[in-house]
Amino acid sequence: DVKVTQSSRYLVKRTGEKVFLECVQDMDHENMFWYRQDPGLGLRLIYFSYDVKMKEKGDIPEGYSVSREKKERFSLILESASTNQTSMYLCASSPGLRDTQYFGPGTRLTVL
Amino acid sequence: DAKTTQPTSMDCAEGRAANLPCNHSTISGNEYVYWYRQIHSQGPQYIIHGLKNNETNEMASLIITEDRKSSTLILPHATLRDTAVYYCIVISNFGNEKLTFGTGTRLTIIP
Repeated sequence: DVKVTQSSRYLVKRTGEKVFLECVQDMDHENMFWYRQDPGLGLRLIYFSYDVKMKEKGDIPEGYSVSREKKERFSLILESASTNQTSMYLCASSPGLRDTQYFGPGTRLTVL
Repeated sequence: DAKTTQPTSMDCAEGRAANLPCNHSTISGNEYVYWYRQIHSQGPQYIIHGLKNNETNEMASLIITEDRKSSTLILPHATLRDTAVYYCIVISNFGNEKLTFGTGTRLTIIP
């Protein structure tokens, strides 16, 4: 079974802090994704990566950056957290860009 | 990207078949229809996908109309654990297109 894990289920940070969200997949997938989910807005793609050190902006990249130094790990970085970044963050991976995506359990981030 | 339209919410009695519709009237020939669901407080889970033929797996059946402008996800014997938000998504089979999730249908299974 594909397993996608995220470093925390719940996280509370203060405005202005630098925040790292980590995602690890164990199936040697080429592609990894970061989404955020907010009530009434569905899932929105922040960034995705189709190879090590490669990244592409999604629909809402502003205020975020990503890092993919190893194939199995994809990090989402909030350089200076703001209250409007309070959300559920979901990581996913897939073997090909249009293949089935497998999601992690999510990290609920609260920025105070 | 083809857009999808789904009802905001639906109820279904436990043990009955749940039929979830999705309209994708602007779908193009190279776009697949995917269905995911998200149970409360969990990440989305893949259910099924298809191009033009009907598909069935251990979770559900997918019926795609001949003109491909709409589809229906069928859960044949709904259980309380099927209560979730169901997302219908269309995506091309080439290029750098990414999945775009809408707001989905909130399906509630009634005991």
